[in-house]
Amino acid sequence: SQQGEEDPQALSIQEGENATMNCSYKTSINNLQWYRQNSGRGLVHLILIRSNEREKHSGRLRVTLDTSKKSSSLLITASRAADTASYFCATGGNNFNKFYFGSGTKLNVKP
Amino acid sequence: DAGVTQSPTHLIKTRGQQVTLRCSPISGHKSVSWYQQVLGQGPQFIFQYYEKEERGRGNFPDRFSARQFPNYSSELNVNALLLGDSALYLCASTGQGVGEKLFFGSGTQLSVL
Repeated sequence: SQQGEEDPQALSIQEGENATMNCSYKTSINNLQWYRQNSGRGLVHLILIRSNEREKHSGRLRVTLDTSKKSSSLLITASRAADTASYFCATGGNNFNKFYFGSGTKLNVKP
Repeated sequence: DAGVTQSPTHLIKTRGQQVTLRCSPISGHKSVSWYQQVLGQGPQFIFQYYEKEERGRGNFPDRFSARQFPNYSSELNVNALLLGDSALYLCASTGQGVGEKLFFGSGTQLSVL
């Protein structure tokens, strides 16, 4: 299975601190994406990093990808209470648009 | 522009019944995917349709079926419902290209009693 797995399963931090979550996967990928989900509803796309990229930034988000270790990390800087959500990595795209999601990291940002 | 819309938002069924979930993709998107998300887990891929043809199927029993219509909207059907089918069913659409980002709807919460 290509399924990505996030680590840690849960993370609790204070507002203003940085949050780092990791994702590991098993097979070669076309790209890796990170999504956020609030309150068990629809997922929102955060950032996409392609297999030939090593780092990407978007606002307070920084994503790294190490294809040799089959791992990625998502860093949220200067976290806010509104960042409280579950974060998922998704791998795949080799087979058209079939993606595999991990079980997610549940982030709690305390005000 | 409207995002991905799903209906209904909530549904309660009993074991053995059949259910149909509906999804309208973002205008211009030709690909629709369906995912099942059980509480506490990540979404699991069920089906993907592109240009009205099935392009991918996940590890789900034949009780699950789907189709895509000429206007690119889609339906997911589940027959002979089991308690374990209780989950959030998510529809996602994508524009052109392989492996591009998914735009998700808010999902249909299915409860099987």
